Amino acid sequence: DTAVSQTPKYLVTQMGNDKSIKCEQNLGHDTMYWYKQDSKKFLKIMFSYNNKELIINETVPNRFSPKSPDKAHLNLHINSLELGDSAVYFCACAASGSETYNEQFFGPGTRLTVL
Amino acid sequence: KNQVEQSPQSLIILEGKNCTLQCNYTVSPFSNLRWYKQDTGRGPVSLTIMTFSENTKSNGRYTATLDADTKQSSLHITASQLSDSASYICVVSAKDTGFQKLVFGTGTRLLVSP
Repeated sequence: DTAVSQTPKYLVTQMGNDKSIKCEQNLGHDTMYWYKQDSKKFLKIMFSYNNKELIINETVPNRFSPKSPDKAHLNLHINSLELGDSAVYFCACAASGSETYNEQFFGPGTRLTVL
Repeated sequence: KNQVEQSPQSLIILEGKNCTLQCNYTVSPFSNLRWYKQDTGRGPVSLTIMTFSENTKSNGRYTATLDADTKQSSLHITASQLSDSASYICVVSAKDTGFQKLVFGTGTRLLVSP
């Protein structure tokens, strides 16, 4: 079973459109994350949710809106897509409680291309 | 400013050889340091996690070292295999009001050649 899954794997869309990326984890972890990996392969955190509550928002434009319907899901909705949004988006999860070893488990990524 | 720098940016070695990747960081307050392996088209996978008090940690042919005084870490790969070809990312965790915030390096792209 895949621990962290994302859909779709590839997403090609026109500038100005609205799109969503879904993430699901079956590890029972409390904390979930969204990361953006740009063309230079640099991973940067966008959001972090703990028990369905937002705890980290790294100055991401408000066109990006994460939604956590339950602990196992953290979806990313993007409005009015721009060329600069093209990147690979990774979802991750981690167990809370152990401050030192909350190892993060990453999904396979969603490659978003905005034309 | 919290930063993680890695060197070299890329590396090509022959199968069977050893190599060492470097990581320097300026992250505060320091919580732990991780090395991740990211295969092409995949998400990162954790190799090692080290806390302040740990100097070295091994995972099979991968051995990570940490010098918290100089804020440096290295990842040594022994007897490299073709499957080691990947990007290796150094990640330092900063403690932030009880939750951990990860600062990622830009990675070292390793190619193991037959």
